[in-house]
Amino acid sequence: ETGVTQSPTHLIKTRGQQVTLRCSSQSGHNTVSWYQQALGQGPQFIFQYYREEENGRGNFPPRFSGLQFPNYSSELNVNALELDDSALYLCASRHSTGNTEAFFGQGTRLTVV
Amino acid sequence: GDSVTQMEGPVTLSEEAFLTINCTYTATGYPSLFWYVQYPGEGLQLLLKATKADDKGSNKGFEATYRKETTSFHLEKGSVQVSDSAVYFCALSAQGAQKLVFGQGTRLTINP
Repeated sequence: ETGVTQSPTHLIKTRGQQVTLRCSSQSGHNTVSWYQQALGQGPQFIFQYYREEENGRGNFPPRFSGLQFPNYSSELNVNALELDDSALYLCASRHSTGNTEAFFGQGTRLTVV
Repeated sequence: GDSVTQMEGPVTLSEEAFLTINCTYTATGYPSLFWYVQYPGEGLQLLLKATKADDKGSNKGFEATYRKETTSFHLEKGSVQVSDSAVYFCALSAQGAQKLVFGQGTRLTINP
């Protein structure tokens, strides 16, 4: 059983650029969530995808967007990068039925300069 | 809205000491409660959970009891090891909600 994998592990971008982060969910998991973890803080919920549709969103602007594919993998896109977008971005997957545990990937460390 | 408050860190202890990390929450209804651990350079791992009042979650010698009367879910371990050094996050998931709400994390360092 493969776990949640994210790519890339590290990324440096310039302010104003766009970035795409990728996540492969754990086998059998159909729900993917994304979190932003700023340095020294707890993760903050960005959004969740289920059956290729966004079905929950945190307090993040529209320049944060996502996709989920038929194989349940997911992308997080951030446009017009700002310095404050520098953070660890975590992907979590789970199955939609019941109160199931969310499994997290190792994260992508994004630095905006 | 829902929120989680953890004791401020960092916490430094000697090996075999007793550990308590306090966690209190604010939520409507009956949330599920979790403790996650984050080792350096890694993502989050679920340490333990409790889904209803008075439930006790336990794993790897760690325990936490869901106390609805005090809205708390304190993490305890009787004898810590150097390998327990990590950042610990308390979190909740409200009924019917899609998201986890995390506390700010407590960095724990265990010295030999």
